[in-house]
Amino acid sequence: EDKVVQSPLSLVVHEGDTVTLNCSYEVTNFRSLLWYKQEKKAPTFLFMLTSSGIEKKSGRLSSILDKKELFSILNITATQTGDSAVYLCAGTLMDSNYQLIWGAGTKLIIKP
Amino acid sequence: GAVVSQHPSRVICKSGTSVKIECRSLDFQATTMFWYRQFPKQSLMLMATSNEGSKATYEQGVEKDKFLINHASLTLSTLTVTSAHPEDSSFYICSAREGAGETDTQYFGPGTRLTVL
Repeated sequence: EDKVVQSPLSLVVHEGDTVTLNCSYEVTNFRSLLWYKQEKKAPTFLFMLTSSGIEKKSGRLSSILDKKELFSILNITATQTGDSAVYLCAGTLMDSNYQLIWGAGTKLIIKP
Repeated sequence: GAVVSQHPSRVICKSGTSVKIECRSLDFQATTMFWYRQFPKQSLMLMATSNEGSKATYEQGVEKDKFLINHASLTLSTLTVTSAHPEDSSFYICSAREGAGETDTQYFGPGTRLTVL
């Protein structure tokens, strides 16, 4: 059974800290891994990772995929209160349906 | 963990027909379900919020007469795309919320690929 597991489920840190969010997956016919940030309405797309070992970076956020160990991490450096959100990862399948297998999310709270 | 399913996973239909997509929470009751549409570059757009036993709340710009949402029970919400046209072809994702307040968690379905010919 395909599954994506995120850890921790919740995390509380202080502003300025660096956090690492984990996403492990067991997905047959794996195509790519997506990271989203969900605050209010729709999740906001952050990264799509398809190749192993290549870091993607956007400002203070970065992410990398390890296809051998079947996991990805999302790093946030110098956290700000605006980073408080639920971070979701999802695996996509290499089939014509492009189905998504979602993790349950990590709820990140940044305290001032 | 909680699971949300969608049916069908893929549907191909002719222009002008209506298509119904089901979203089910399999092991929990969801008072609120959400429908999203995925656009190019993986972005998601919230279409509507569906509350059990009441009318759905549609986001601005989403035609409620075209995208009919019914949340008939605590485990089932349906999205019907009426008189579908090729521009409605997209990937539709639902999610279901378990719990309330600060302890609530939202679980996402695997999506339904709609292709309108």
